[in-house]
Amino acid sequence: NAGVTQTPKFRVLKTGQSMTLLCAQDMNHEYMYWYRQDPGMGLRLIHYSVGEGTTAKGEVPDGYNVSRLKKQNFLLGLESAAPSQTSVYFCASNRASYFYEQYFGPGTRLTVT
Amino acid sequence: GQQVMQIPQYQHVQEGEDFTTYCNSSTTLSNIQWYKQRPGGHPVFLIQLVKSGEVKKQKRLTFQFGEAKKNSSLHITATQTTDVGTYFCAGFKAAGNKLTFGGGTRVLVKP
Repeated sequence: NAGVTQTPKFRVLKTGQSMTLLCAQDMNHEYMYWYRQDPGMGLRLIHYSVGEGTTAKGEVPDGYNVSRLKKQNFLLGLESAAPSQTSVYFCASNRASYFYEQYFGPGTRLTVT
Repeated sequence: GQQVMQIPQYQHVQEGEDFTTYCNSSTTLSNIQWYKQRPGGHPVFLIQLVKSGEVKKQKRLTFQFGEAKKNSSLHITATQTTDVGTYFCAGFKAAGNKLTFGGGTRVLVKP
């Protein structure tokens, strides 16, 4: 099992450009999450999904959109990137609800200039 | 809203010494999880505590959940260089179905 994978690993964008981050899991997990990690800020939840076809806002959703068309995939989109979105993005998944441990992907380091 | 604070933010430890990091919530939690993130890596689940006053051990790591379920601690004995990384606690509140991560304690070990 690959677990949780993320593509790309690194990306540099110019302000105003758009991009999509892909997260895939092969553990048949219902819940999937997108976090951003900034120095000293811990992990902040951007959006999450409790099942195929569903999405919900987390703590810091502005400037991001998500889609969960297939159970194993969770996409994070930036329509018009801003320097404030420079961060490391982690995807995670778990069986069902926050009660269960989360499995994290390796992360995507995004720089917006 | 729910807040989870971790102290200290940084911990410099001499190899072989013990240290403790603390996690405090502004509200009563249903459970608490601990994760470890190695430098350049991703968070990896360590343990979950559910019961009031619960204590769990993993080799040199001892995790405790407070009686009021509002705080937790991680104690590491005889620190090794392999303990380097950032330790996060994450508090879950069932009522709001919300998991909130603390800011983490970054541990540096001096050989």
